[in-house]
Amino acid sequence: EVQLVESGGGLVQPGRSLGLSCIASGFTFGDYTMSWVRQAPGKWLEWVGFIRRKDHGATTEYAASVNGRFTISRDDSKSIAYLQMNSLRTEDAAVYYCARGGITMGHFVLDLWGQGTLVTVSS
Amino acid sequence: DIQMTQSPSSLSASVGDRVTITCRASQSISSYLNWYQQKPGKAPKLLIYAASNLQSGVPSRFSGSRSGTDFTLTISSLQPEDFATYYCQQSFTTLWTFGHGTKVEIK
Repeated sequence: EVQLVESGGGLVQPGRSLGLSCIASGFTFGDYTMSWVRQAPGKWLEWVGFIRRKDHGATTEYAASVNGRFTISRDDSKSIAYLQMNSLRTEDAAVYYCARGGITMGHFVLDLWGQGTLVTVSS
Repeated sequence: DIQMTQSPSSLSASVGDRVTITCRASQSISSYLNWYQQKPGKAPKLLIYAASNLQSGVPSRFSGSRSGTDFTLTISSLQPEDFATYYCQQSFTTLWTFGHGTKVEIK
């Protein structure tokens, strides 16, 4: 089955760190850009960042709100994408989704999403 | 960053109605615009890519169009399963952004 499964969410204190994982199955993980998108309770979707394919340097891009605090990485041998979140703030509390970035007609699309994992930031 | 402004933020409609949602980009994004549907407690689902192309498996009552920096998602005849929140997303730059969503509710 083609799917993404996130894990690692939970309760964390402000200023601390938390790491999320996204395990992919059913497709060739290394062929895709992998992205993270979050959604605060009752709010809209916010793009967090993505990591390109290894043959594109596995380079990363981040939203300004997380740049310098969050790091996305990937392990193609295990078909896993990671989101390391440092210096967490209360406003980082959200459901975090992992999404596959496919290219169709030269356009990036988020065509496969995980079920999300909840991160709560509170003292 | 490119800002994506969706309107309306919510609307009420009846089954069978024609529904139109608009997304305006703060600068030119060519046709690098995707639409997603999200139901409560669920992950988003890709509906339309490159402004007007229907994702495989999506019903043909959904369509998208572009006029300059204005993009439109149209549902030709609203069905019960279409009550959801719809988001636009630009991928023109490497810093992707989403609109703030349009919630389609039952009248």
